[in-house]
Amino acid sequence: ETGVTQSPTHLIKTRGQQVTLRCSSQSGHNTVSWYQQALGQGPQFIFQYYREEENGRGNFPPRFSGLQFPNYSSELNVNALELDDSALYLCASSWDRGYTEAFFGQGTRLTVV
Amino acid sequence: KNEVEQSPQNLTAQEGEFITINCSYSVGISALHWLQQHPGGGIVSLFMLSSGKKKHGRLIATINIQEKHSSLHITASHPRDSAVYICAVTGNQFYFGTGTSLTVIP
Repeated sequence: ETGVTQSPTHLIKTRGQQVTLRCSSQSGHNTVSWYQQALGQGPQFIFQYYREEENGRGNFPPRFSGLQFPNYSSELNVNALELDDSALYLCASSWDRGYTEAFFGQGTRLTVV
Repeated sequence: KNEVEQSPQNLTAQEGEFITINCSYSVGISALHWLQQHPGGGIVSLFMLSSGKKKHGRLIATINIQEKHSSLHITASHPRDSAVYICAVTGNQFYFGTGTSLTVIP
């Protein structure tokens, strides 16, 4: 079992609303990456945060934004929710922007209705 | 075209069978990961490989860097092995395959 925890585990939102998902890092890790996994698909990279700054971004619109805090925990914010944003959101913590030792959280299941 | 391709997409096996899942990738990598995802659940890392072969219990993972290919083997499969197995490679980010859904029937 990893030290990466995500909250909440499940969430239902209405189209147009905003949502904040949270992720704590594995102890000693300073890098957090976020992924979106639609049903039946592999995870897609959203962005990575390293030492509180964005360090790489996938093909997601600006309404997907993030934060990383001094304790290296992280938030994913999504504005103006769309039905297609319904997915499992995963975070992974690692060390120094790399992925050699990466631990995943259990994910947050977001449903947009 | 995906950077990581897995086969088969779906696999049903009888308990006790030997199982192989294959992964091919097209990008330069620093490491390859085999991940396990149970229904509705998050992801558990099974192996991280950069060369050769690793074994953990009934699971064996191999990688051939020259051929850009990896395999995950499960010996003496058990119903609790039923899950989605995902191959992912890391360079400047994670590239994920779409997963292999394994069902082991008692």
